[in-house]
Amino acid sequence: EAQVTQNPRYLITVTGKKLTVTCSQNMNHEYMSWYRQDPGLGLRQIYYSMNVEVTDKGDVPEGYKVSRKEKRNFPLILESPSPNQTSLYFCASSKKTGTKDTDTQYFGPGTRLTVL
Amino acid sequence: AQSVSQHNHHVILSEAASLELGCNYSYGGTVNLFWYVQYPGQHLQLLLKYFSGDPLVKGIKGFEAEFIKSKFSFNLRKPSVQWSDTAEYFCAVNAEYGNKLVFGAGTILRVKS
Repeated sequence: EAQVTQNPRYLITVTGKKLTVTCSQNMNHEYMSWYRQDPGLGLRQIYYSMNVEVTDKGDVPEGYKVSRKEKRNFPLILESPSPNQTSLYFCASSKKTGTKDTDTQYFGPGTRLTVL
Repeated sequence: AQSVSQHNHHVILSEAASLELGCNYSYGGTVNLFWYVQYPGQHLQLLLKYFSGDPLVKGIKGFEAEFIKSKFSFNLRKPSVQWSDTAEYFCAVNAEYGNKLVFGAGTILRVKS
């Protein structure tokens, strides 16, 4: 089944304790992206990746890191989480973007993160 | 920078009522337009999309949307809502040749049975 998976689905942590949220897709998509969803603000893009070893900042990258060493995986790293990073995080992927044939983005199930 | 505005944050309707959710975007060039739905506790799913061609787009579950270029709008419609349509709806815009999907703040729809 074609899908985007994220782990963990729920995470409660404390300020300053490094964490990684994994994202994996099995559709051979080139483009992957991370979003955070906050009430009244919709989804805001954190980072995106056009392909392996190619990443760039979205609208709200502060406090986050990403890496794209393999096509299928795009982990989100919080080196020193703070309470303002408490949010619902979504990973998404698509065949390609930035062209006339921009494709639909497919979303993972979300990771609800609470930073105390 | 692109932005997307959704007119209503909360909408409450009775079953069988008609629905129209407004979406306006700010970008002067060619755009790709999407409506996503998020049912309670679930991830985002694509309802419909517009890339080019007929500006009236039909999606899943009886939803449709009309792209009006002169008004920079992409409003979502459904003639008769059901209780199962209770969800949050997001409009999103991707500029042609752009790398980013920009979302509106979302509209929470509650359908009373």
